[in-house]
Amino acid sequence: GAGVSQSPSNKVTEKGKDVELRCDPISGHTALYWYRQSLGQGLEFLIYFQGNSAPDKSGLPSDRFSAERTGGSVSTLTIQRTQQEDSAVYLCASNFPPGRPSQETQYFGPGTRLLVL
Amino acid sequence: AQSVAQPEDQVNVAEGNPLTVKCTYSVSGNPYLFWYVQYPNRGLQFLLKYITGDNLVKGSYGFEAEFNKSQTSFHLKKPSALVSDSALYFCAVRDLRHTGKLIFGQGTTLQVKP
Repeated sequence: GAGVSQSPSNKVTEKGKDVELRCDPISGHTALYWYRQSLGQGLEFLIYFQGNSAPDKSGLPSDRFSAERTGGSVSTLTIQRTQQEDSAVYLCASNFPPGRPSQETQYFGPGTRLLVL
Repeated sequence: AQSVAQPEDQVNVAEGNPLTVKCTYSVSGNPYLFWYVQYPNRGLQFLLKYITGDNLVKGSYGFEAEFNKSQTSFHLKKPSALVSDSALYFCAVRDLRHTGKLIFGQGTTLQVKP
């Protein structure tokens, strides 16, 4: 079946502009994660969605970052007033709800490479 | 706090030789441990995981890893390296809180030379 998909694959923007990044999780996966991969910080967690529960936003680096998940499926990560330090690869992952060992594997999308000039 | 360490930024090995990529962890309780591989300009691909059971875990592409509780390690191994194994490898531990987010090591670049 189809894996996690993300769009766009690459995004170049000017400092101060807003950007939206999209993630389509694997069908049936109710848990969805956003991570950021940057040279200086490695791979870091941003936000987690599970079904209709309130998202865990504890990893968002500033209030310029927000995310939503509509209908329990597609998610959008929005970065407002982008800064150069936002340049990174943004990865999305999905899996079944954590708790069952057999379902503990997160599957990642190809990422969106964001460059802020 | 939970953490994962990959002590080597880069590992070099000749094709056909065995390879080891090291990972140590620090968690309270029983860890859920994972290895992922990342090829250039690609996302992370799942290789294998340890949740419970046998300490030796076999995964994709001939890779295996051994969970060692006393040494708090989860080293990735392969008996015979291929040039195509050259990539960036990440070890991760699952956060024990309800979110299940992954906490990653800093990554190890594996270079397999012909």
